[in-house]
Amino acid sequence: GENVEQHPSTLSVQEGDSAVIKCTYSDSASNYFPWYKQELGKRPQLIIDIRSNVGEKKDQRIAVTLNKTAKHFSLHITETQPEDSAVYFCAASDSSASKIIFGSGTRLSIRP
Amino acid sequence: NAGVMQNPRHLVRRRGQEARLRCSPMKGHSHVYWYRQLPEEGLKFMVYLQKENIIDESGMPKERFSAEFPKEGPSILRIQQVVRGDSAAYFCASSDVPNTEAFFGQGTRLTVV
Repeated sequence: GENVEQHPSTLSVQEGDSAVIKCTYSDSASNYFPWYKQELGKRPQLIIDIRSNVGEKKDQRIAVTLNKTAKHFSLHITETQPEDSAVYFCAASDSSASKIIFGSGTRLSIRP
Repeated sequence: NAGVMQNPRHLVRRRGQEARLRCSPMKGHSHVYWYRQLPEEGLKFMVYLQKENIIDESGMPKERFSAEFPKEGPSILRIQQVVRGDSAAYFCASSDVPNTEAFFGQGTRLTVV
């Protein structure tokens, strides 16, 4: 089955700097890659997603890149702000299994 | 649209009791996923259901755990004879079609004493 690995597990960046979180997946059939943000004590919420027919997607300060050959994808947050502090999860799913498998999460802290 | 509703938000059970967790998906959504989250850990897949069918239960322990999503009413995750190790947050998520955004509920925090 699908296995998603995520790193780093914790990340601390200065406010205004960029943050990058990386994930790899094992199942070459996976074709949908969402990213979720979870604030303390709250539900995970989708922040951006990408499908395998696209190499990059951007939404304001957030971008995701996908390398299908290498089976890895990354989240980039630019001009980080205090409200970006949270745990971020990458995930992958394929059209046959359809279940969404999550990475282990990255705790992002923004230093003022 | 009220979003994905889970209840109860907090549930305390003594060892050996049964826990029933409910999840009402968003209106129009027929795909439900259950995840378990231990403190400071990730979202571990448990089971994926469509109306009246279990599609994938590969992440759910074979004993004591069961899930259903009846034609009418919420999806239920049932844990029989709970043990301390079952203490966790249980999240459900729903989607209208597979491989699209899954919307999460607020979670049920189960504490076994």
